[in-house]
Amino acid sequence: NAGVTQTPKFQVLKTGQSMTLQCAQDMNHEYMSWYRQDPGMGLRLIHYSVGAGITDQGEVPNGYNVSRSTTEDFPLRLLSAAPSQTSVYFCASSYGPAGNRETQYFGPGTRLLVL
Amino acid sequence: GESVGLHLPTLSVQEGDNSIINCAYSNSASDYFIWYKQESGKGPQFIIDIRSNMDKRQGQRVTVLLNKTVKHLSLQIAATQPGDSAVYFCAENGRSGAGSYQLTFGKGTKLSVIP
Repeated sequence: NAGVTQTPKFQVLKTGQSMTLQCAQDMNHEYMSWYRQDPGMGLRLIHYSVGAGITDQGEVPNGYNVSRSTTEDFPLRLLSAAPSQTSVYFCASSYGPAGNRETQYFGPGTRLLVL
Repeated sequence: GESVGLHLPTLSVQEGDNSIINCAYSNSASDYFIWYKQESGKGPQFIIDIRSNMDKRQGQRVTVLLNKTVKHLSLQIAATQPGDSAVYFCAENGRSGAGSYQLTFGKGTKLSVIP
């Protein structure tokens, strides 16, 4: 099993550009989440999905869109990048809700710099 | 303990010594807690968890202690090794109104092991 994979590893964008961060898992997990990690702050939830076709907002959803057409994939879209979106982004997956005692597995992260 | 501002608190320990990392959680309704390890440039990795009906849980070289009275969590690492050098952070589940418990993450403590 590859676990949770993310692409790209690094990305530089100009303000206003769009891009999609890819996330895939091969563990047949229903739950998938996107977090951002900023210096001096804990991980913050952007969006999450409880199964194919079902997504919901987390703590900091503004400026990001998601979709879940398959169990395996959960892409995160930035429609018009802003410098405030400079961060490290982590995708995670689990069988059930992470807060309900299901172990959550994280990907290696995507480092995004918006100029 | 948890960080203030942009800089993570750092704990430096000699190889072979025991390490104690602390975390103050915020939500008295939380009933599930997790410790994660994050090595430089990698995603967080689950270490150990504990439910609120316990005050201690042991794993391989790690012990988590929970004091619900003062909302405090600690991670003890026995015989600390160079490979333990990483950022460690705690997470609590709180209570989501939607019933799908999400996690709230602490900011982390950087552990540096001196060979």
